[in-house]
Amino acid sequence: EADIYQTPRYLVIGTGKKITLECSQTMGHDKMYWYQQDPGMELHLIHYSYGVNSTEKGDLSSESTVSRIRTEHFPLTLESARPSHTSQYLCASSVGYEQYFGPGTRLTVT
Amino acid sequence: AQSVTQLGSHVSVSEGALVLLRCNYSSSVPPYLFWYVQYPNQGLQLLLKYTTGATLVKGINGFEAEFKKSETSFHLTKPSAHMSDAAEYFCAVSDRTGNNRKLIWGLGTSLAVNP
Repeated sequence: EADIYQTPRYLVIGTGKKITLECSQTMGHDKMYWYQQDPGMELHLIHYSYGVNSTEKGDLSSESTVSRIRTEHFPLTLESARPSHTSQYLCASSVGYEQYFGPGTRLTVT
Repeated sequence: AQSVTQLGSHVSVSEGALVLLRCNYSSSVPPYLFWYVQYPNQGLQLLLKYTTGATLVKGINGFEAEFKKSETSFHLTKPSAHMSDAAEYFCAVSDRTGNNRKLIWGLGTSLAVNP
Protein backbone atom coordinates (compact mmCIF):
# COMPACT_ATOMS: atom_id res chain seq x y z
CA GLU A 1 0.00 0.00 0.00
CA ALA A 2 1.21 3.46 -0.89
CA ASP A 3 2.27 5.83 1.87
CA ILE A 4 1.56 9.44 1.08
CA TYR A 5 0.71 11.98 3.73
CA GLN A 6 -0.87 15.40 3.74
CA THR A 7 -1.08 17.91 6.54
CA PRO A 8 -3.15 19.55 7.74
CA ARG A 9 -6.29 17.59 6.87
CA TYR A 10 -8.49 20.60 7.52
CA LEU A 11 -7.57 24.29 7.63
CA VAL A 12 -9.69 27.38 8.18
CA ILE A 13 -7.80 30.59 7.71
CA GLY A 14 -8.45 34.27 7.17
CA THR A 15 -7.99 36.21 3.97
CA GLY A 16 -4.46 37.42 3.32
CA LYS A 17 -2.68 34.77 5.36
CA LYS A 18 0.22 32.78 3.94
CA ILE A 19 -0.26 29.02 4.09
CA THR A 20 1.72 25.94 3.18
CA LEU A 21 0.10 22.60 2.55
CA GLU A 22 2.44 19.72 3.20
CA CYS A 23 2.75 16.53 1.17
CA SER A 24 5.21 13.72 1.76
CA GLN A 25 5.63 10.24 0.33
CA THR A 26 7.85 7.40 1.48
CA MET A 27 7.89 5.37 -1.73
CA GLY A 28 10.73 7.16 -3.48
CA HIS A 29 8.48 8.13 -6.38
CA ASP A 30 9.98 10.65 -8.77
CA LYS A 31 6.70 12.14 -9.93
CA MET A 32 4.37 14.12 -7.71
CA TYR A 33 1.19 16.08 -8.39
CA TRP A 34 -1.15 18.60 -6.81
CA TYR A 35 -4.82 18.61 -7.72
CA GLN A 36 -7.55 21.03 -6.79
CA GLN A 37 -10.93 19.40 -6.45
CA ASP A 38 -14.15 21.33 -6.85
CA PRO A 39 -17.13 20.66 -4.58
CA GLY A 40 -18.71 19.09 -7.66
CA MET A 41 -15.91 16.48 -7.78
CA GLU A 42 -13.91 17.53 -10.85
CA LEU A 43 -10.15 17.18 -10.47
CA HIS A 44 -7.88 19.92 -11.78
CA LEU A 45 -4.12 19.41 -12.05
CA ILE A 46 -2.47 22.59 -10.75
CA HIS A 47 1.21 21.53 -10.34
CA TYR A 48 3.42 18.55 -11.02
CA SER A 49 7.02 17.56 -10.60
CA TYR A 50 9.16 14.93 -12.31
CA GLY A 51 11.89 15.01 -9.74
CA VAL A 52 14.03 17.17 -7.49
CA ASN A 53 14.23 20.78 -8.68
CA SER A 54 11.66 20.08 -11.41
CA THR A 55 8.22 21.70 -11.20
CA GLU A 56 5.64 22.54 -13.83
CA LYS A 57 2.29 24.28 -13.84
CA GLY A 58 -0.68 22.11 -14.52
CA ASP A 59 -3.74 22.50 -16.67
CA LEU A 60 -5.55 24.86 -14.30
CA SER A 61 -3.96 28.20 -13.55
CA SER A 62 -3.30 28.60 -9.86
CA GLU A 63 -1.88 31.37 -7.69
CA SER A 64 -0.12 28.78 -5.58
CA THR A 65 3.53 27.81 -5.88
CA VAL A 66 5.35 24.56 -5.21
CA SER A 67 8.89 23.40 -4.55
CA ARG A 68 10.67 20.05 -4.79
CA ILE A 69 13.91 20.17 -2.86
CA ARG A 70 13.70 16.57 -1.70
CA THR A 71 12.24 13.58 -3.50
CA GLU A 72 9.81 12.80 -0.73
CA HIS A 73 8.50 16.31 -0.10
CA PHE A 74 6.28 18.49 -2.34
CA PRO A 75 4.77 21.42 -0.43
CA LEU A 76 2.26 23.87 -1.89
CA THR A 77 2.24 27.51 -0.78
CA LEU A 78 -0.31 30.27 -1.06
CA GLU A 79 1.30 33.64 -0.32
CA SER A 80 -2.00 35.41 0.34
CA ALA A 81 -5.07 33.26 0.78
CA ARG A 82 -8.40 34.41 -0.66
CA PRO A 83 -11.93 32.98 -0.39
CA SER A 84 -11.62 31.81 -4.01
CA HIS A 85 -8.90 29.41 -2.82
CA THR A 86 -11.43 27.51 -0.74
CA SER A 87 -11.27 23.95 -2.05
CA GLN A 88 -9.96 20.45 -1.46
CA TYR A 89 -6.30 19.96 -2.38
CA LEU A 90 -5.09 16.45 -3.22
CA CYS A 91 -1.47 15.39 -3.49
CA ALA A 92 -0.40 12.31 -5.45
CA SER A 93 2.75 10.52 -6.49
CA SER A 94 3.58 7.97 -9.17
CA VAL A 95 6.37 5.92 -10.63
CA GLY A 96 4.58 5.14 -13.89
CA TYR A 97 1.08 6.24 -14.76
CA GLU A 98 -0.58 4.81 -11.64
CA GLN A 99 -1.03 7.57 -9.12
CA TYR A 100 -1.23 7.17 -5.36
CA PHE A 101 -3.17 9.81 -3.46
CA GLY A 102 -2.93 11.34 -0.04
CA PRO A 103 -6.05 11.96 2.06
CA GLY A 104 -6.34 15.59 0.98
CA THR A 105 -6.44 18.97 2.70
CA ARG A 106 -9.74 20.77 2.88
CA LEU A 107 -8.99 24.50 2.90
CA THR A 108 -11.50 27.16 3.84
CA VAL A 109 -10.56 30.81 3.52
CA THR A 110 -12.86 33.20 5.36
CA ALA B 1 -6.65 15.82 -27.85
CA GLN B 2 -7.33 12.98 -25.49
CA SER B 3 -10.47 13.10 -23.39
CA VAL B 4 -12.53 11.01 -21.00
CA THR B 5 -16.31 11.02 -20.77
CA GLN B 6 -18.20 9.54 -17.86
CA LEU B 7 -21.86 9.24 -18.74
CA GLY B 8 -24.05 10.19 -15.82
CA SER B 9 -22.73 12.40 -13.05
CA HIS B 10 -25.10 10.71 -10.60
CA VAL B 11 -26.13 7.06 -10.59
CA SER B 12 -28.52 5.53 -8.07
CA VAL B 13 -29.03 1.81 -7.58
CA SER B 14 -30.73 -0.40 -5.05
CA GLU B 15 -28.71 -2.56 -2.72
CA GLY B 16 -28.08 -5.89 -4.45
CA ALA B 17 -28.60 -4.48 -7.94
CA LEU B 18 -26.06 -4.34 -10.74
CA VAL B 19 -23.72 -1.37 -10.77
CA LEU B 20 -22.73 -0.02 -14.19
CA LEU B 21 -20.65 3.13 -14.47
CA ARG B 22 -19.77 4.19 -18.00
CA CYS B 23 -16.48 5.54 -19.27
CA ASN B 24 -15.54 6.34 -22.86
CA TYR B 25 -12.28 7.82 -24.02
CA SER B 26 -10.74 9.30 -27.09
CA SER B 27 -7.10 8.62 -27.79
CA SER B 28 -4.92 8.29 -30.84
CA VAL B 29 -2.82 5.58 -29.21
CA PRO B 30 -3.95 2.68 -27.00
CA PRO B 31 -4.12 4.17 -23.55
CA TYR B 32 -3.71 2.79 -20.10
CA LEU B 33 -7.05 2.99 -18.27
CA PHE B 34 -7.88 3.41 -14.62
CA TRP B 35 -10.83 3.52 -12.26
CA TYR B 36 -10.46 5.24 -8.91
CA VAL B 37 -12.89 5.50 -6.00
CA GLN B 38 -13.16 8.37 -3.53
CA TYR B 39 -14.98 8.00 -0.22
CA PRO B 40 -16.12 11.11 1.66
CA ASN B 41 -13.29 13.25 2.99
CA GLN B 42 -10.64 10.96 1.58
CA GLY B 43 -8.24 10.86 -1.31
CA LEU B 44 -8.62 8.67 -4.36
CA GLN B 45 -7.94 4.94 -4.24
CA LEU B 46 -7.16 2.76 -7.24
CA LEU B 47 -9.94 0.26 -7.98
CA LEU B 48 -8.44 -1.36 -11.06
CA LYS B 49 -6.37 -0.66 -14.13
CA TYR B 50 -5.83 -1.90 -17.67
CA THR B 51 -2.43 -1.67 -19.28
CA THR B 52 -1.99 -4.65 -21.59
CA GLY B 53 -3.14 -8.26 -21.81
CA ALA B 54 -6.54 -9.53 -20.74
CA THR B 55 -9.24 -6.99 -21.48
CA LEU B 56 -11.43 -7.99 -18.52
CA VAL B 57 -9.81 -6.60 -15.42
CA LYS B 58 -10.79 -7.46 -11.86
CA GLY B 59 -10.28 -5.00 -9.07
CA ILE B 60 -10.90 -4.57 -5.39
CA ASN B 61 -14.28 -4.79 -3.65
CA GLY B 62 -15.78 -7.01 -6.37
CA PHE B 63 -15.52 -4.47 -9.18
CA GLU B 64 -14.41 -5.28 -12.69
CA ALA B 65 -14.08 -3.45 -15.99
CA GLU B 66 -13.70 -4.48 -19.59
CA PHE B 67 -11.58 -2.66 -22.13
CA LYS B 68 -13.36 -2.58 -25.48
CA LYS B 69 -11.10 -1.02 -28.07
CA SER B 70 -13.74 -1.00 -30.80
CA GLU B 71 -16.09 0.96 -28.56
CA THR B 72 -13.34 3.02 -26.88
CA SER B 73 -14.94 2.13 -23.59
CA PHE B 74 -13.88 0.97 -20.14
CA HIS B 75 -17.12 0.54 -18.19
CA LEU B 76 -17.03 -0.39 -14.51
CA THR B 77 -19.39 -3.04 -13.18
CA LYS B 78 -20.25 -4.86 -10.00
CA PRO B 79 -22.88 -7.60 -9.95
CA SER B 80 -24.42 -6.70 -6.59
CA ALA B 81 -24.22 -3.27 -5.00
CA HIS B 82 -23.51 -2.85 -1.32
CA MET B 83 -24.26 0.16 0.81
CA SER B 84 -20.53 0.66 1.30
CA ASP B 85 -20.10 1.19 -2.45
CA ALA B 86 -21.63 4.64 -2.20
CA ALA B 87 -18.82 6.96 -3.26
CA GLU B 88 -17.42 9.02 -6.13
CA TYR B 89 -15.89 7.09 -9.02
CA PHE B 90 -13.38 8.51 -11.48
CA CYS B 91 -12.23 7.10 -14.79
CA ALA B 92 -8.81 8.17 -16.05
CA VAL B 93 -6.65 7.49 -19.07
CA SER B 94 -2.95 7.92 -19.56
CA ASP B 95 -1.77 10.91 -21.51
CA ARG B 96 0.78 9.16 -23.68
CA THR B 97 1.82 12.24 -25.59
CA GLY B 98 5.41 12.98 -24.73
CA ASN B 99 6.83 11.68 -21.51
CA ASN B 100 4.78 13.59 -18.97
CA ARG B 101 3.08 10.59 -17.32
CA LYS B 102 -0.07 12.57 -16.57
CA LEU B 103 -3.57 11.18 -16.31
CA ILE B 104 -6.61 12.67 -18.02
CA TRP B 105 -9.60 12.51 -15.73
CA GLY B 106 -13.30 12.15 -16.24
CA LEU B 107 -15.62 14.43 -14.30
CA GLY B 108 -16.62 11.65 -11.94
CA THR B 109 -19.79 9.73 -11.17
CA SER B 110 -21.45 9.86 -7.80
CA LEU B 111 -22.92 6.47 -6.91
CA ALA B 112 -25.77 6.27 -4.42
CA VAL B 113 -26.92 2.91 -3.08
CA ASN B 114 -30.46 2.77 -1.73
CA PRO B 115 -31.54 0.22 0.89
